[in-house]
Amino acid sequence: QKEVEQNSGPLSVPEGAIASLNCTYSDRGSQSFFWYRQYSGKSPELIMFIYSNGDKEDGRFTAQLNKASQYVSLLIRDSQPSDSATYLCAVKTGGFKTIFGAGTRPFVKA
Amino acid sequence: DAGVTQSPTHLIKTRGQQVTLRCSPKSGHDTVSWYQQALGQGPQFIFQYYEEEERQRGNFPDRFSGHQFPNYSSELNVNALLLGDSALYLCASSLDGGAGTDTQYFGPGTRLTVL
Repeated sequence: QKEVEQNSGPLSVPEGAIASLNCTYSDRGSQSFFWYRQYSGKSPELIMFIYSNGDKEDGRFTAQLNKASQYVSLLIRDSQPSDSATYLCAVKTGGFKTIFGAGTRPFVKA
Repeated sequence: DAGVTQSPTHLIKTRGQQVTLRCSPKSGHDTVSWYQQALGQGPQFIFQYYEEEERQRGNFPDRFSGHQFPNYSSELNVNALLLGDSALYLCASSLDGGAGTDTQYFGPGTRLTVL
């Protein structure tokens, strides 16, 4: 089992719809959870971080964390073609190491 | 407010050579982490430097080494380059607030190609 898993399959999202990105992690001692966006040829850009169970909203983005289920998700409301990028889920373990998933690549169709 | 900077942007080396990559952290940050990102994969943690010491290391061989300077900038050295070392090398900086809560910001990366 990978330490951080994301659904990597093609994700087609109609413009204006909600994109739902999912991530599961294996280390129950994980403390902090991050979502990064990465455009092709660029470096990852921080979108959100979440530390506590529940929802956290920032603009069109909502992060959801459920530590009991070891699950973190990112919702993108009113999806735009410019949201087409790779979204990386990152999990900070009890030490100083951050583990990244392989990324999910939603494609927003105009 | 200067963000994380890295140099060089691109680098081409041949197998067996050695390379040094450089990173300056975001203003106010004291911790630097290095990552390797292969095409189509997420970044893989190489190691983290704090107070000029390597304080955690990922699953990378000893060919990968680093250094942090008193001004918090950092270098990543890779010896005896292999074709498989071709990747985007990312530096991320953060402010140490104890294990579990610091947020990392990435530099633009160095694209290393090994021929």
